[in-house]
Amino acid sequence: DAKTTQPNSMESNEEEPVHLPCNHSTISGTDYIHWYRQLPSQGPEYVIHGLTSNVNNRMASLAIAEDRKSSTLILHRATLRDAAVYYCILRDVQNAGNMLTFGGGTRLMVKP
Amino acid sequence: DTEVTQTPKHLVMGMTNKKSLKCEQHMGHRAMYWYKQKAKKPPELMFVYSYEKLSINESVPSRFSPECPNSSLLNLHLHALQPEDSALYLCASSQANYGYTFGSGTRLTVV
Repeated sequence: DAKTTQPNSMESNEEEPVHLPCNHSTISGTDYIHWYRQLPSQGPEYVIHGLTSNVNNRMASLAIAEDRKSSTLILHRATLRDAAVYYCILRDVQNAGNMLTFGGGTRLMVKP
Repeated sequence: DTEVTQTPKHLVMGMTNKKSLKCEQHMGHRAMYWYKQKAKKPPELMFVYSYEKLSINESVPSRFSPECPNSSLLNLHLHALQPEDSALYLCASSQANYGYTFGSGTRLTVV
């Protein structure tokens, strides 16, 4: 599976936008970019995913570089409840096992 | 129902005990998973069930025994565990290429 690289941790102020980067220089053409987050004492939860175009949903936006070798998860207004570990994961649509393999993730701390 | 329910939430067991973790979903998902997560580490895949059949075993020791009695239920039977097996055990389900839905996990302590 293609690997992703994320900063270990980031800090943000409440009510400010947050840009969480992810590098995936070995991404293949059939890899979707997925983001999950894990709040303290909870299981991971799906945030957003995309293939080539930028994506928006109620939780976040996903900006994908034109060469697809990097992406950025954007939280438009961070709240204290957004403090979590954010995982950027590549999933191959041709993978019959359809597994989700987690990397190290970025621990986001939100300051009031 | 859009949840994955795991029971119990907490479990303490001795090294000679036999216990089971349970996972249930009613979303019609045909793939179900067990993950293990140690403190401050990302989740690690243990087993994958697809259409109620074991499709992937990530070289997990035999003291962990998964079972999928039907399309809604997934069990993880535990026997003769070691203290280093203490961790958060997460169950998840998915359908095709859609996102995974995770349960809140069972926090297991082996004494």
